Amino acid sequence: QSALTQPASVSGSPGQSITISCTGTSSDVGGYNYVSWYQQHPGKAPKLMIYEVSNRPSGVPDRFSGSKSGNTASLTISGLQAEDEADYYCSSYTSSSTLVVFGGGTKLTVL
Amino acid sequence: EVQLVESGGGLVQPGGSLRLSCAASGFTFSSYWMSWVRQAPGKGLEWVANIKQDGSEKYYVDSVKGRFTISRDNAKNSLYLQMNSLRAEDTAVYYCARYLPWSWFDPWGQGTLVTVSS
Repeated sequence: QSALTQPASVSGSPGQSITISCTGTSSDVGGYNYVSWYQQHPGKAPKLMIYEVSNRPSGVPDRFSGSKSGNTASLTISGLQAEDEADYYCSSYTSSSTLVVFGGGTKLTVL
Repeated sequence: EVQLVESGGGLVQPGGSLRLSCAASGFTFSSYWMSWVRQAPGKGLEWVANIKQDGSEKYYVDSVKGRFTISRDNAKNSLYLQMNSLRAEDTAVYYCARYLPWSWFDPWGQGTLVTVSS
């Protein structure tokens, strides 16, 4: 069981917007602005998409955005494209001895 | 181009040992924290260990404490993970990643598969 809770799957049609949630506690997501999101295509390494809740690394399209409210962080992808189909993982700093926790991952299907 | 290349994975029996390596290029290796993150087959990501720039601080997930040791050689731009007393549940693809505490892992290597089985 992962420390952060994500929906197992989400789907959307090309051009639509989707949101993936990531729920933790006040010891991780809710307590710190150290939430990051990673995209992983099958058989590939994860890629950083969002860091510190809402910051985009250079090269990541502005269709990707992040936010946080309380103990839940969210990744929103607008203007869905076929190449966005992938697994998405959230991560957060935690004050527990684990230090870093990941969500269980969400499979995004572009219909 | 920033690049990380892992090696050293393979098949090992339960109780055995393995040493993973990660060769870094394209950035000043000695200026960054580094990490190992693993992914069991068909499962999610799990952080394993972090090491500070000079090796003076190391952190581990509870499940590997006392069995795994992270280390680095800044002269060789290399990161290592010594894995002892391996268990079936350690079977995973192991990724090395550059790490900014407590902000991000970026980039990630392509991963190396470790299979613990008799």
